[in-house]
Amino acid sequence: QVQLVESGGGVVQPGRSLRLSCAASGFTFSAYAMHWVRQAPGKGLEWVAVISYDGSNKYNADSVKGRFTISRDNSKNTLFLQMNSLRAEDTAIYYCARDPVAAVQRGYFDSWGQGTLVTVSS
Amino acid sequence: EIVLTQSPGTLSLSPGERATLSCRASQSFSSSYLAWYQQKPGQAPRLLIYGASNRATGIPDRFSGSGSGTDFTLTISRLEPEDFAVYYCQQYGSSPLTFGGGTKVEIK
Repeated sequence: QVQLVESGGGVVQPGRSLRLSCAASGFTFSAYAMHWVRQAPGKGLEWVAVISYDGSNKYNADSVKGRFTISRDNSKNTLFLQMNSLRAEDTAIYYCARDPVAAVQRGYFDSWGQGTLVTVSS
Repeated sequence: EIVLTQSPGTLSLSPGERATLSCRASQSFSSSYLAWYQQKPGQAPRLLIYGASNRATGIPDRFSGSGSGTDFTLTISRLEPEDFAVYYCQQYGSSPLTFGGGTKVEIK
């Protein structure tokens, strides 16, 4: 079955960097677009970024543009989120999520990881 | 950016009752590209509905979605104990992808 396991979260000071990973298994990772979605404590969901199945296309939310970079390594079935210049408002659980149709980017999410908590605080 | 407004914020109902959740968009978007998710405390969201009315794999038929244009509805025909949770709508017809603020369905 589809499994997504995030890692790399933790406590980081404002202005510093952090890299999140999402290890995928149970499906052909290289065939699916992938997303990062975040959820601030006690708040709703916010889409962060998407990458196409082959890594050729990437889009970010305006709130993270210029600071966060999504990438993937299809040889290792792993999705990444490089987060630079972190701010207090980036504090959230970060989920990786799969786009549902192989080779086509739909924009909704049929499988989610359990999330990794990022806390930005001095 | 399309803003999704969900109502009510909280719905207090008893098991066996019908739940009707609303999601209204600030502007219409492509082809009913709307999804619904369920989230329980401490868990990741789970896809319930996509394309406004299509149930995702393994979702019971007591869950149904409807609507088009700017007004969408998630209906739970008879609430089971495991259905008490927070529900989010999400549009994928326009960039950026956006979510509603959520409706909490709680036990009355």
